[in-house]
This record gives sequence, C-alpha cells and structure tokens, in this order.
Amino acid sequence: KAGVTQTPRYLIKTRGQQVTLSCSPISGHRSVSWYQQTPGQGLQFLFEYFSETQRNKGNFPGRFSGRQFSNSRSEMNVSTLELGDSALYLCASSDIRHTDTQYFGPGTRLTVL
Amino acid sequence: GESVGLHLPTLSVQEGDNSIINCAYSNSASDYFIWYKQESGKGPQFIIDIRSNMDKRQGQRVTVLLNKTVKHLSLQIAATQPGDSAVYFCAENTSENAGGTSYGKLTFGQGTILTVHP
Repeated sequence: KAGVTQTPRYLIKTRGQQVTLSCSPISGHRSVSWYQQTPGQGLQFLFEYFSETQRNKGNFPGRFSGRQFSNSRSEMNVSTLELGDSALYLCASSDIRHTDTQYFGPGTRLTVL
Repeated sequence: GESVGLHLPTLSVQEGDNSIINCAYSNSASDYFIWYKQESGKGPQFIIDIRSNMDKRQGQRVTVLLNKTVKHLSLQIAATQPGDSAVYFCAENTSENAGGTSYGKLTFGQGTILTVHP
C-alpha cells in the first residue's frame, strides 16, 4: 500500500495570508490526525478527523481548522498566518478498526515571512 | 518573547553497540505506547508499540520495555548501525479500543538524538 502523502512539501507565505495543506491517508484508513512540529514545542496535536467529523482538537487558536472528505482525504487551513506558525505540519492516518497505530506522512514545511 | 528550543537529550554510540533510549510518560491512564524514529527531513516512522497489559515486546533488533509503576518506557536497539542515527520519540495515548476518548491524540516526548559512529 502507498503511504500517507502530503502536499505541498514546502510552502513559503507571508504574514496575514492563509494556507491550505492536504493529506491523503493510507488506503482504508479513516482516521486522520494532524500535528505541528517546531524546535521549541516539539510535536503537538492539532486535531483528528474520522468519517468527516472532528472528534478531537488540541490547544490551538481558531485560526487552525480542518476538514475531512468522504474519501478520508483531509485538509487543514491556517488563516491570518503569524511568524510563529512556521513549522513542519504532519499528518498521520490510522485504521482504528484494528489498531491505534498512526502512520505519518513526510510533512509540509511551512515558512512564514 | 523569544522562544527557547527544546534541548533534546543525546546518545552517542559506536556501531555494533547496544543502545538504550529512555522516556518518562505523564498520564497514568495511558494504555498504548509507541516509539517513532524521525530522520532529518522526514516524518516519524513507526518502530514498535506496546500496550499496558505487557511489560516487554520485541521486534527486529528492537525491544520496548514498559514500567507502569514508575511510568517509564525504554527502547533498546541491538547492534546499532549508522542507519539508526535519528531522533527517537516515545508517544502515549489512551486507546480508543479500550474506551478512551482521546481520539487520535498522541502525546509525544521531547525526543532523543541518537548518533551512531562507524
């Protein structure tokens, strides 16, 4: 099976802009989680989607949002970008019918100037 | 204010040595634990997992030990190779299949940098 894919791999934006990141889970996986990774805070949970529903959300401002489509693909959006949003954004998928294991994609490197 | 980066613990070993990476977890309700390996420029890669009803699990060249009494997890890598050089993260969760409601949320440790010298 193909692994988790994320697009784009790299993005450069300026403060105040918005950005949309995409994640395609492993085929058959219906749970998608998003994480932010920074040198200062490490890996932090953003939110999780299952069957097009957000079931869990981390401690991030409302500028961070997401959604999931019927084919389990997910997008996350960050509005009104701030310098501190520069990070590696990681998506992970899981087949929760059988396991809690999450498999990660390569991430999207977002740089905010 | 100025952000301060995490100061990751480091472990430096010679090729062929055994490596032990430690992790303390915080939530006594966690019942599922995973080790990930992250190489530069890549996403975390699953290594091995363990549930709280076990205290040891072995994979290929890796062993995870769980001590619930002191909330400690360790990853042992046998015959460490240069390709094992990476950052290693432990993560914990309260599993959905066990009735947990922390859906999809892994809580990660800060990570340990492993460097293997040829």
